[in-house]
Amino acid sequence: GQQLNQSPQSMFIQEGEDVSMNCTSSSIFNTWLWYKQDPGEGPVLLIALYKAGELTSNGRLTAQFGITRKDSFLNISASIPSDVGIYFCAGRNNAGNMLTFGGGTRLMVKP
Amino acid sequence: GAVVSQHPSWVICKSGTSVKIECRSLDFQATTMFWYRQFPKQSLMLMATSNEGSKATYEQGVEKDKFLINHASLTLSTLTVTSAHPEDSSFYICSADGQGGETQYFGPGTRLLVL
Repeated sequence: GQQLNQSPQSMFIQEGEDVSMNCTSSSIFNTWLWYKQDPGEGPVLLIALYKAGELTSNGRLTAQFGITRKDSFLNISASIPSDVGIYFCAGRNNAGNMLTFGGGTRLMVKP
Repeated sequence: GAVVSQHPSWVICKSGTSVKIECRSLDFQATTMFWYRQFPKQSLMLMATSNEGSKATYEQGVEKDKFLINHASLTLSTLTVTSAHPEDSSFYICSADGQGGETQYFGPGTRLLVL
């Protein structure tokens, strides 16, 4: 099946620092989605990307849909303690409505 | 908008009993809903795709007779874990398609503990 490689697996940063994480795939996706999951909660949609090359921002978050359609990155600028959580990328292709998830990036922010 | 709820949020049951989990789209209609299972420190694993008015499509390795899915309306899907065993203990999360099927919105999850 399709695989999404998400990196890094975890990050421990100082408050105020910028963060970057990415996902790569061996297959093409038509949609890339980025979610954040807090402990004991369901994932919350952060950014949705629908076109190759698309760059979209949501507050301090910026994500891009790679030109090759096989990768995407998420940047968080000026991190704050409430950014702590697990971030997942997810891709969707033409085969159906199913999402393929990356393994997640666990972000920890030191005040 | 695009709110998905789950009930119950957590449940503890004895081995051998059945547990029903509800997933509702509160402010939109969802032709398709999805059920995921998540073990600690792992990513979400798709269990099945639930389509309103038709049988669910199960992922490889997921027992359809053990995890019964009913999608009776455009706003409600249920997952019943039949004859639950301790190894079924997990975090179960549903999601629903929104915006013409291009995004998925997730419920808050249901934590199941089977003793």
